[in-house]
Parts: sequence; structure tokens; C-alpha cells
Amino acid sequence: GQQVMQIPQYQHVQEGEDFTTYCNSSTTLSNIQWYKQRPGGHPVFLIQLVKSGEVKKQKRLTFQFGEAKKNSSLHITATQTTDVGTYFCAGRVLSTLTFGKGTMLLVSP
Amino acid sequence: EAGVAQSPRYKIIEKRQSVAFWCNPISGHATLYWYQQILGQGPKLLIQFQNNGVVDDSQLPKDRFSAERLKGVDSTLKIQPAKLEDSAVYLCASSLGANTGELFFGEGSRLTVL
Repeated sequence: GQQVMQIPQYQHVQEGEDFTTYCNSSTTLSNIQWYKQRPGGHPVFLIQLVKSGEVKKQKRLTFQFGEAKKNSSLHITATQTTDVGTYFCAGRVLSTLTFGKGTMLLVSP
Repeated sequence: EAGVAQSPRYKIIEKRQSVAFWCNPISGHATLYWYQQILGQGPKLLIQFQNNGVVDDSQLPKDRFSAERLKGVDSTLKIQPAKLEDSAVYLCASSLGANTGELFFGEGSRLTVL
């Protein structure tokens, strides 16, 4: 079955440092979505990427979809304590959306 | 707009007992998902409905788990009998369509099996 791998599993940064999480799929994806889950909360949608090589920005967050539509990344510039949480990528093949294991981000002030 | 409603929020049972979780999706959302999230892991799809039909239940342990969405609106997920490894948060989500668009998650139902 489809597998979505995400690295790193965990990252601890100082406030103001940058952060990147990477997502890799075993199969070509129709689209990829990113979600954020705060401690004790539920996943909240951030963005969807559909086109090969697509890059989207949301303030300090930059999302990329690889040319082969099998990998993606999320980069946060100048992290803030409000960025704390677990970031999940979710790759879609046809109608099935498979989540990665997530990258937990801790930000120290 | 009301979000995805789930109940109960918390449930503690003994192994071999049964439990049921309920989900009411956002009005008008045709697709409903049940995900299992074990602590420290990503959500794992158990079953996906499109209206009242099953789209994907390949990872549903059918010997103990069952789910239904009889009228194409709300849904129930049942576990019988429960095992220790079923301890997890059961997340219900809904989306407008099956092949694209964001998922809206409920707060989840946290199950502890003793």
C-alpha cells in the first residue's frame, strides 16, 4: 500500500531559527496536503499542493511539491513559539489520503 | 458554520468490552472519514464513506471494527471486542468531495482500553 515518510521525527529550535520538514511518498501523488496539530488538539488544514513543482507561501511558511509529485517540504522562516506543534503531510492517491507520521516542532523562547 | 461533532470525547473500557463512537460531519459534506491516531503517530485511515457508500476500508480490522453511515449524514464506529492496542484517539473528518479539498477534523474521541 501507499506509504508516506516524513523526516525528521522531531526538531527543537530556538525562536528565530528556521525549520524544515520533508515528506516522501512511495507512489506518485494526485495532490499533497499539510496539516498542523497542536498538543492535545486535532489536525488543522494548512494548504494543498496539486501541480508538479508548485510553491506556495503563507506568511513565514513555504510549501513545495516536487517535480515528480512524490515529495514535498514545509519550511518555516524565523520560528515563533506559536509554531509549536506537529506538522503532518498527507498524500492523496485517487480518493485515499495517507498521512505521514509527522514532525514535532518545539520552539524555545 | 458548525464543525465536525464527535462523541464521546473520552471513554475508558476494559479489554473485550465494546464501544461506539458517533460523528456528525459538516452539513453538505459528502465524504466522511474515520482515522485512528495512536500517540506519537500520524492519523491512520480506517474507513472512508462517500455519502452512504464505502470508498476505502482496506485498513479496517473487520473482525472487530465496524462502521456505518446509513443515511449519508452521521456515522458510527464500533469496536467489539476491544483490545489493549485499540487505545488511541479516533478522529472523524469530513470533506466536500472525495478526491480533493481539505479535511475538517472533529475534536476526536480518546479511547483507553485497560
